[in-house]
Amino acid sequence: KNEVEQSPQNLTAQEGEFITINCSYSVGISALHWLQQHPGGGIVSLFMLSSGKKKHGRLIATINIQEKHSSLHITASHPRDSAVYICASATGNQFYFGTGTSLTVIP
Amino acid sequence: NAGVMQNPRHLVRRRGQEARLRCSPMKGHSHVYWYRQLPEEGLKFMVYLQKENIIDESGMPKERFSAEFPKEGPSILRIQQVVRGDSAAYFCASSPDSFPEQYFGPGTRLTVT
Repeated sequence: KNEVEQSPQNLTAQEGEFITINCSYSVGISALHWLQQHPGGGIVSLFMLSSGKKKHGRLIATINIQEKHSSLHITASHPRDSAVYICASATGNQFYFGTGTSLTVIP
Repeated sequence: NAGVMQNPRHLVRRRGQEARLRCSPMKGHSHVYWYRQLPEEGLKFMVYLQKENIIDESGMPKERFSAEFPKEGPSILRIQQVVRGDSAAYFCASSPDSFPEQYFGPGTRLTVT
């Protein structure tokens, strides 16, 4: 079983701030996903990573395979970024999910 | 290309009734995964299916829960004799041949009264 831990659990930021969410996992993976979930809403896949770094708009995701660690960065945060961000490690046929980071961006 | 479809989006059942949740994968996707999100908890894997085959059901509760993905039609997650503890959001995801790329549906929120 792959243990996935996220930090912080809750995060409040002022609009415009740079945000970092961290994810650590315990065993080797084939890929790591970052997901976004709005309250009462569905799940959107933001990134799938197996190495290095990916960027999409104001979002950047990095992964260090040797250290079993990934980060999600949000530059110039905006209130519409308020959501729960979940990392999920893909191991075998399964995803193992972190418990999520609840982000609130205040105008 | 339409995304993953789930219906119903909201389902209310009384204790003891049956719940049927449907998932239509993206066009061309033959792999379906079901996940459950209990209130205030993270997502948990339930089952992985390909057309007409259950590949991995290690996350399914041993009783009352079953899943299928027939040759034609949507994948069905069936919960018999629902109890209050089954109240949760149930998400399905689909993928093309290559796991671990997955696309999530909007979820079905089941409430058991």
